Amino acid sequence: SQQGEEDPQALSIQEGENATMNCSYKTSINNLQWYRQNSGRGLVHLILIRSNEREKHSGRLRVTLDTSKKSSSLLITASRAADTASYFCATAGSARQLTFGSGTQLTVLP
Amino acid sequence: DAGVIQSPRHEVTEMGQEVTLRCKPISGHDYLFWYRQTMMRGLELLIYFNNNVPIDDSGMPEDRFSAKMPNASFSTLKIQPSEPRDSAVYFCASSEVTGELFFGEGSRLTVL
Repeated sequence: SQQGEEDPQALSIQEGENATMNCSYKTSINNLQWYRQNSGRGLVHLILIRSNEREKHSGRLRVTLDTSKKSSSLLITASRAADTASYFCATAGSARQLTFGSGTQLTVLP
Repeated sequence: DAGVIQSPRHEVTEMGQEVTLRCKPISGHDYLFWYRQTMMRGLELLIYFNNNVPIDDSGMPEDRFSAKMPNASFSTLKIQPSEPRDSAVYFCASSEVTGELFFGEGSRLTVL
């Protein structure tokens, strides 16, 4: 079963604009991770935020985590056509495995 | 490092046939995961290993599925007999203790 649910399911923006994707989950977590998947490829890890962290940055990526609302957001600033991909949040609880959400399909138009 | 290596990349088979998917994890990684991805159900964890020992196989759909990890550098996922509803992309991923998963490129299985 899927723990996280991304919103929106699909997002289309112009190059240079910012893209924001949201993730909601149901149970307590140790950390939350975001992954990117290009069409026909495997998933690539983007960023990990621990349950005691509220915000994290990596390059053009900014992730926030609100454990009281059980939600996270991924912001991609100054988007590029190469950012076109599906983006997944994944939650890690007390057990070692990750549970993935349903993903947001991002299209960046040149 | 070459990353996680999966084979075959594509497999087309007929219902009832045995399918074996293979995975070579990144050297030094203690954890290995098998996921299945479909449009309807998204990414589902099938089974994971720690130091070659299966830890949680509750995601394995039924007895037709089996997975082994005979050593730290090799794992297999076997489906016998295969059915059309098994058609999916199967991913292998490995990780250290830190939590970040490294995925292979996947094996796309089509069962006719």
